[in-house]
Amino acid sequence: EAGVVQSPRYKIIEKKQPVAFWCNPISGHNTLYWYRQNLGQGPELLIRYENEEAVDDSQLPKDRFSAERLKGVDSTLKIQPAELGDSAVYLCASSPERGAFSAGNTIYFGEGSWLTVV
Amino acid sequence: RKEVEQDPGPFNVPEGATVAFNCTYSNSASQSFFWYRQDCRKEPKLLMSVYSSGNEDGRFTAQLNRASQYISLLIRDSKLSDSATYLCVVTPYTGGFKTIFGAGTRLFVKA
Repeated sequence: EAGVVQSPRYKIIEKKQPVAFWCNPISGHNTLYWYRQNLGQGPELLIRYENEEAVDDSQLPKDRFSAERLKGVDSTLKIQPAELGDSAVYLCASSPERGAFSAGNTIYFGEGSWLTVV
Repeated sequence: RKEVEQDPGPFNVPEGATVAFNCTYSNSASQSFFWYRQDCRKEPKLLMSVYSSGNEDGRFTAQLNRASQYISLLIRDSKLSDSATYLCVVTPYTGGFKTIFGAGTRLFVKA
């Protein structure tokens, strides 16, 4: 079974430029997450989808970040314009069940998109 | 105070050693707890869930102490391949479930 697929794997852009990341979750997984992980830190949730509905986007910096999951399958995360502080790994993840990190509900991460803003 | 705190380490141990990590959380209403493992430049992967009664998986034992609000991970007979960052994950209920990752504890197992 294919895992969570993300692209691009690596991206270097100049500040003020736009960037987009794409994610295809594991087939059949209704819940999709976008996390951001800075060096030496744990992942921080940006947005969580249940099917095509964004049920938690409280941590998404909405002035420059946007996300969509139009058909409830793959998703795109966009940053426009990028800032130096956006340099991080952007992790997409999916899980088969709704809602919480309930015991036994495993969340699967993609390999991440490594963003460097110069 | 951070919602989830871990000692960043690094812990440097010889092969065969027993090593333990703790993770403290601030929200007493936290519902679910997990340990994830993250190898260098790789994505996090679930190591084990942490149940109230404690649970064991081979050389790994996880414990939950609700009274003191911490969870622990014990690794026995450490292997070189155990070298990684171990992330504590807590799900507090705050009107909607949010998952909170600790910053991780780095472990180096040396021959």
